[in-house]
Amino acid sequence: AQSVTQLGSHVSVSEGALVLLRCNYSSSVPPYLFWYVQYPNQGLQLLLKYTSAATLVKGINGFEAEFKKSETSFHLTKPSAHMSDAAEYFCAVSFNSGNTPLVFGKGTRLSVIA
Amino acid sequence: GAGVSQSPSNKVTEKGKDVELRCDPISGHTALYWYRQSLGQGLEFLIYFQGNSAPDKSGLPSDRFSAERTGGSVSTLTIQRTQQEDSAVYLCASSLVIGSEGYTFGSGTRLTVV
Repeated sequence: AQSVTQLGSHVSVSEGALVLLRCNYSSSVPPYLFWYVQYPNQGLQLLLKYTSAATLVKGINGFEAEFKKSETSFHLTKPSAHMSDAAEYFCAVSFNSGNTPLVFGKGTRLSVIA
Repeated sequence: GAGVSQSPSNKVTEKGKDVELRCDPISGHTALYWYRQSLGQGLEFLIYFQGNSAPDKSGLPSDRFSAERTGGSVSTLTIQRTQQEDSAVYLCASSLVIGSEGYTFGSGTRLTVV
């Protein structure tokens, strides 16, 4: 079955430290890949997406992600964490050339410590 | 409208009662999706509508769940004879078409079955 795996349900970093949130997917065909962020009591907001252009994708709020086909990964990074980055982050994948709804990972809660 | 609107934002219902959740997508978006978000479980796909095509109901967990979309716009998700395990946040999203574009999510309806 097609699946999306986010390693670590909770990640804690110090303010100013590197943020690394991991996402792997199961597919031999490069899919479309997305990262969403959810702040408390809000809906999901699109951070960035990969749709077969450049493998390094830049998004909002200083986040970026790199598509690595050989590793079937799409990890999310940010060089320096801010307190405002504390939220839940979801990796999502559109398999079958985008013709089926997004499949989401279970999410990673990011805490930022002052 | 400017965004995806969901109502009510919160709903408390007694076990065994029916509930209706409403979603008003972005004007012009032909694709509409319903997801369920439970604590620690990420987003679970329920159903999606694409234009005038028959909806993809493959994610509905039981025959107590149904959804319709009238006039290609507003959608209603109905849960009959609610059970406590139905308690979750129900998220609606829309997109221009299904494919490489990300979705715009509403803020969700938090359903609590007591």
